[in-house]
Amino acid sequence: RKEVEQDPGPFNVPEGATVAFNCTYSNSASQSFFWYRQDCRKEPKLLMSVYSSGNEDGRFTAQLNRASQYISLLIRDSKLSDSATYLCVVNAVGGGNKLTFGTGTQLKVEL
Amino acid sequence: DAGVTQSPTHLIKTRGQHVTLRCSPISGHKSVSWYQQVLGQGPQFIFQYYEKEERGRGNFPDRFSARQFPNYSSELNVNALLLGDSALYLCASSLLTGVYSPLHFGNGTRLTVT
Repeated sequence: RKEVEQDPGPFNVPEGATVAFNCTYSNSASQSFFWYRQDCRKEPKLLMSVYSSGNEDGRFTAQLNRASQYISLLIRDSKLSDSATYLCVVNAVGGGNKLTFGTGTQLKVEL
Repeated sequence: DAGVTQSPTHLIKTRGQHVTLRCSPISGHKSVSWYQQVLGQGPQFIFQYYEKEERGRGNFPDRFSARQFPNYSSELNVNALLLGDSALYLCASSLLTGVYSPLHFGNGTRLTVT
């Protein structure tokens, strides 16, 4: 079983739609969680950290369910510029900056 | 402020050769990590260095080595290149080394082994 699992997609959605991505992780000792965004042939960029209480940043909402070991990302009012691959990332206790990435979920927002 | 800078941006090598990739962290960042990203996959952890000491190593063969210099820049070396080493090599820096310290990635070095 992979340490971090994501549906690879692609998710093709119309502009203005709401889209949700889920991610599961296997290491129950995981302590910190992130969503990164990666554009084609570019480096990953931090989108948001994910906190136990859930957090929101504009059109983006992240949720963490420790009991079920899954993380979600909700994007409201999708824009064309949201088209990218979204990487679910987990960091375990004692892992320092050793991040474990999922394979990413590809999002395509269309007119 | 300059972000994480990596050089070269692209590199083509032949099987069996050696390669050195370079990285300069964001000013003030003391931790540097290296990741390998194969097409269609998420980045995989190779090494982390903090204050010039190795703090973590991923599941990569001994052909992969790295070091960090007093100015916190870093080099990743790969010996005896294989076709499977073709990938995007990402360097990331962070202010601290803890689990809550987010990483900032450079543009990467795209290595092609023929």
